[in-house]
Amino acid sequence: QSALTQPASVSGSPGQSITISCTGTSSDVGSYNLVSWYQQYPGKAPKLIIYEVNKRPSGVSNSFSASKSGNTASLTISGLQPEDEADYYCCAYVGTNTWVFGGGTKLTVL
Amino acid sequence: QVQLVQSGAEMKRPGASVKVSCKASGYIFTDYAMHWVRQAPGQGLEWMGWINGGNGNTKYSQNFQDRVSITRDTSARTLFLELSSLRYEDTTVYYCVREYNKYFDYWGRGTLVTVSS
Repeated sequence: QSALTQPASVSGSPGQSITISCTGTSSDVGSYNLVSWYQQYPGKAPKLIIYEVNKRPSGVSNSFSASKSGNTASLTISGLQPEDEADYYCCAYVGTNTWVFGGGTKLTVL
Repeated sequence: QVQLVQSGAEMKRPGASVKVSCKASGYIFTDYAMHWVRQAPGQGLEWMGWINGGNGNTKYSQNFQDRVSITRDTSARTLFLELSSLRYEDTTVYYCVREYNKYFDYWGRGTLVTVSS
């Protein structure tokens, strides 16, 4: 199972919106509405920010939203804040109790 | 509250094995599947394998199929990862992770395993 494809880096200015894509295949992202997203600060464990394509856990800012179209999932962060600067990873369930992560995207807030 | 407390850092020689533990608290241990995910320095996350909360069945990534074993001690509420035939590229942080409905809701703080001669 190959890793999902994410851009290595994205950047934006405070207040702007950015979108991170996560491209897979019809066997992973395209097969199930079971894509999740994780935020990770340097030296820290990842944190769940989106599950089941577009659902936010309690306590996660509504500045985070997500969607899926075909084999590509997307994470959008609106109204960028300096504290949004982190690494972001998508993850997809691919069936038979197997999961795959994206390669990760480093978000820089300019 | 849910807590996943992992064992401390390890240093191993190439070819050796390592066993990392993760003690869970704050929830019914056997109600949830658990996973191990690893991350090499400066690299992305890599899913390693899964253990069913109820019956202990396992499934491993093909990348580790022959070298990895995930087990648990339900009475001690502890999850284990054993990786054998260690290589330099196994120098990574290993995370234990709780699964809820096919996503990962709680993560341990990670255990650094260093493979060095």
